[in-house]
Amino acid sequence: QSVPTQPPSASGTPGQRVSISCSGSSSNIGSNTVNWYQQLPGTAPKLLIYGNNQRPSGVPDRFSGSKSGTSASLAITGLQSEDEADYYCASWTVGLNGQVFGTGTKVTVL
Amino acid sequence: QVQLVQSGAEVRKPGASVKVSCKASGYSFTAYDINWVRQATGEGPEWLGWMNPNSGHTNYAERFQGRLTLTRNASISTAYMELSGLRSDDTAVYFCARTVEKVTTVYYHYFDIWGKGTAVTVSS
Repeated sequence: QSVPTQPPSASGTPGQRVSISCSGSSSNIGSNTVNWYQQLPGTAPKLLIYGNNQRPSGVPDRFSGSKSGTSASLAITGLQSEDEADYYCASWTVGLNGQVFGTGTKVTVL
Repeated sequence: QVQLVQSGAEVRKPGASVKVSCKASGYSFTAYDINWVRQATGEGPEWLGWMNPNSGHTNYAERFQGRLTLTRNASISTAYMELSGLRSDDTAVYFCARTVEKVTTVYYHYFDIWGKGTAVTVSS
């Protein structure tokens, strides 16, 4: 099964906008919705975005998601120091009958 | 509140088995699938499999077929993950996650509640 590809790193200064891409295939992102998870060091992943662009209760609106074809992206506007974490896209995958996670992006706040 | 509480860290020798528990509270255990994910140090999450706590139906990632067993005891709202034939590359943190699955105009499938993880170390 192919794994969605993300850039290994992204960075920005406080207040800036950072965007993270997630490039998948027709068997995952192309045919299913995309979720995004945030993982702070030493903790479990936390659901950040589900269904391509839906925010769970409690997630700040500076986080937004979008999807087009076999790719998706996560945007963080008004970057804050507490946003420094690893971010993973994920999608249900045909054939696997399960979730596949992207390669992950480490966001650094300069 | 809604939470998943996992059992503590384990150390095993190569070839042994390990069984990790995941106790649910704050919601109806049989209403949501439980997925299991592992993460080796410095790596991304890797999906292992899922179980329907109501029916006991399971599905495993192909690479773990024959080594992975997911079970549950609904009377105590607890799910279990057992991995046998342990190798050094099975060393990782293992997470259970509550799964929301719904169909409207699109198919939603996501992990909304996670356990804190159980560290499994395989070493001779």
